[in-house]
Amino acid sequence: QQQVKQSPQSLIVQKGGISIINCAYENTAFDYFPWYQQFPGKGPALLIAIRPDVSEKKEGRFTISFNKSAKQFSLHIMDSQPGDSATYFCAASMVYAGNMLTFGGGTRLMVKP
Amino acid sequence: EPEVTQTPSHQVTQMGQEVILRCVPISNHLYFYWYRQILGQKVEFLVSFYNNEISEKSEIFDDQFSVERPDGSNFTLKIRSTKLEDSAMYFCASSESGTDTQYFGPGTRLTVL
Repeated sequence: QQQVKQSPQSLIVQKGGISIINCAYENTAFDYFPWYQQFPGKGPALLIAIRPDVSEKKEGRFTISFNKSAKQFSLHIMDSQPGDSATYFCAASMVYAGNMLTFGGGTRLMVKP
Repeated sequence: EPEVTQTPSHQVTQMGQEVILRCVPISNHLYFYWYRQILGQKVEFLVSFYNNEISEKSEIFDDQFSVERPDGSNFTLKIRSTKLEDSAMYFCASSESGTDTQYFGPGTRLTVL
């Protein structure tokens, strides 16, 4: 019930295209859903996050769509660039449970020039 | 911009030896976390720490693991008797409050031979 399932495992997109990564969760007590970007040899860096009281959040080229009833959320990267090539992790946490992050399995994104 | 720092960047040790991984969280942050990432796998929560005590810990965080905030700046993870399966990237993270964004350090790669 604590799992967060992420798909696809890998994604190849042409420059300028839209990258879409999906996550699903079971535990309805989760109340914070961040996306992290990780480059090789580096720690995860927060990209964008959403709380369940909104259905969408946009920051620049990055958008989170959140579907509370379906227990799913997704990351959309518009106008994907080669510099976006990285591994993306969705995560979820519960404030009352020490805010520990439960991560999805990760998606390795490659944006071809 | 303030950042979480970790030392060493790479630690090689023999099975059965004790290791201490060090982290300096962002200075005004009050919540501290350790995560690990086995090569090619997802990031897994180990422990959270607040007000000089453990808030939450995962099943991975058994009696071989301990955490400490020995002074006002450092946060350490000790593994008492390392096993081969402890080989992983260990990330420290910190947040200003229990509901805020967690900022990750660059990680320590632990190799147990």
